[in-house]
Amino acid sequence: DVKVTQSSRYLVKRTGEKVFLECVQDMDHENMFWYRQDPGLGLRLIYFSYDVKMKEKGDIPEGYSVSREKKERFSLILESASTNQTSMYLCASSLGGHSNQPQHFGDGTRLSIL
Amino acid sequence: KNQVEQSPQSLIILEGKNCTLQCNYTVSPFSNLRWYKQDTGRGPVSLTIMTFSENTKSNRRYTATLDADTKQSSLHITASQLSDSASYICVVSDTGTASKLTFGTGTRLQVTL
Repeated sequence: DVKVTQSSRYLVKRTGEKVFLECVQDMDHENMFWYRQDPGLGLRLIYFSYDVKMKEKGDIPEGYSVSREKKERFSLILESASTNQTSMYLCASSLGGHSNQPQHFGDGTRLSIL
Repeated sequence: KNQVEQSPQSLIILEGKNCTLQCNYTVSPFSNLRWYKQDTGRGPVSLTIMTFSENTKSNRRYTATLDADTKQSSLHITASQLSDSASYICVVSDTGTASKLTFGTGTRLQVTL
């Protein structure tokens, strides 16, 4: 079974801090994704990556950056955390190629910015 | 604008009963439609993926249908169990690119005794 592991289940940070969310997958997937999930809204894509050192902006990249130095690891960075970035963050991975591959999600990091 | 709408928003049923969740989409072009189950406090888990040519697909007690002409899908749960209590999310892909997914807001199902 694919395992996507997010480093923290819960995280509390202060406004203005630089925040790192880590995600590791163990199935050699090419694609990795970062989403945020807010009540009443569908998952929204922040950034994704098709390969090592490659990144593409999703629908809501403002205030975020990412890093993919190794194939199995995809990091989300909040450059200067703000209260409107309080949310559930979900990492996912999938095989490359055609989109008919399911995305496998981690269990999420619930981030609170005070 | 691509949209996925799910109904009902929430549903409560008795254990052992069947239920059907609905998904309407306006995503174009269409590549595939997925149903995910998300338990409280967990990440979504894929139940089915259906392409344009597939009308129905089953995964244990879950049966998904797709009508690409009317742009509707349904997820039928048979003989519900307490463990079926979760949010069910409909997701549609447009271009065949892995990143181009439109997510519905989900139906929250509660199965009670």
